[in-house]
Amino acid sequence: AQSVTQLGSHVSVSEGALVLLRCNYSSSVPPYLFWYVQYPNQGLQLLLKYTTGATLVKGINGFEAEFKKSETSFHLTKPSAHMSDAAEYFCAVRFSSGSARQLTFGSGTQLTVLP
Amino acid sequence: DGGITQSPKYLFRKEGQNVTLSCEQNLNHDAMYWYRQDPGQGLRLIYYSQIVNDFQKGDIAEGYSVSREKKESFPLTVTSAQKNPTAFYLCASSQGVGGLALEQYFGPGTRLTVT
Repeated sequence: AQSVTQLGSHVSVSEGALVLLRCNYSSSVPPYLFWYVQYPNQGLQLLLKYTTGATLVKGINGFEAEFKKSETSFHLTKPSAHMSDAAEYFCAVRFSSGSARQLTFGSGTQLTVLP
Repeated sequence: DGGITQSPKYLFRKEGQNVTLSCEQNLNHDAMYWYRQDPGQGLRLIYYSQIVNDFQKGDIAEGYSVSREKKESFPLTVTSAQKNPTAFYLCASSQGVGGLALEQYFGPGTRLTVT
């Protein structure tokens, strides 16, 4: 079955440190990949997406992600964490064989930024 | 401003009552979705609609109903048959037809509490 796995339900980093949030998917066909951010009691906001082309994708708020087909991964990074980055992050995948409209979401990673 | 509105932000109901959550979009998007979010479980798809007067069940449709009488509106009714209705409900929409639909845009959510 096609699935999305986010390793680590909670990640803590110090302000100014590297942020690395992991996402792996299971599919033999490269899918479309997304990262969303959710602040408390709010909806999800799109951070970045990979569809085709360059495998390193830059998004908003200084985040970027790299699609690695051989590793079936799409990890999210930011060189220097800011207090305002504290939120929950969701990886989402649109599998090619699935419905044209549906996304499969990972279970989320809560990012805490320590002063 | 274009976007998705959900109302109300917070909703309280007694057990055994049906309740309808509103979702309106002015993005002129074809597709609309309803998700349920519970802590630690990510987002689960309840229903989705690709066109007016048509909708499909998602992964957890039991105890819920929807309608799509207008392109911009996709209300969700949580019926008394839903065994555990307390959750955060998110509405989303996406543009495109066929295989072109990509990212989904989310509303701010409605937190439903049933006692």
